Amino acid sequence: GAVVSQHPSRVICKSGTSVKIECRSLDFQATTMFWYRQFPKKSLMLMATSNEGSKATYEQGVEKDKFLINHASLTLSTLTVTSAHPEDSSFYICSAGVPGLAGLRETQYFGPGTRLLVL
Amino acid sequence: GNSVTQMEGPVTLSEEAFLTINCTYTATGYPSLFWYVQYPGEGLQLLLKATKADDKGSNKGFEATYRKETTSFHLEKGSVQVSDSAVYFCALRSYSNTGNQFYFGTGTSLTVIP
Repeated sequence: GAVVSQHPSRVICKSGTSVKIECRSLDFQATTMFWYRQFPKKSLMLMATSNEGSKATYEQGVEKDKFLINHASLTLSTLTVTSAHPEDSSFYICSAGVPGLAGLRETQYFGPGTRLLVL
Repeated sequence: GNSVTQMEGPVTLSEEAFLTINCTYTATGYPSLFWYVQYPGEGLQLLLKATKADDKGSNKGFEATYRKETTSFHLEKGSVQVSDSAVYFCALRSYSNTGNQFYFGTGTSLTVIP
């Protein structure tokens, strides 16, 4: 089946630095990618939807200047956490969508997630 | 390792039919189990969850019971509606000393016709 990878799987950084997380679809082209964040003891929260070649659509309450999303190709989307602070420490998951064939719905494939710890 | 397997779709049902979407898992330790729903053009939404064996999660008429003996978390609804048409994801969250991580099934597309 389709595989989505994320890199890095874990990252520790100092407060004030920027961190880039990559999401790649390894054996298929993804027309859309979603970025989610998981808060401690809570479920996933959708952050943004990105479409290849266009600007990402951010969910209400998500700072677009802080969480920069670039979907430069059909196999790669990046999430950059700019000027990271301890409250940005979280688990970030991406998913990549492939349109369904013959009228079927889009299928989502999830990455394994990236754990970010900001000191 | 940890993994989630859910029945492949697509599933097409008539309104008011009974729905079952099978989900089984493999896990080390004692994971929490989730069902997420994705409506067309939207991201994931949590539908229900269960955090320990024999717990039953329920929401909007959907139910799923955490069965440790069969390592299953099947999603059921007694009478589906057109508005239930969506993609449903079974997920597992494992816990370890280094943190917790989600493992998702590939999703099951449901279409309910009037």
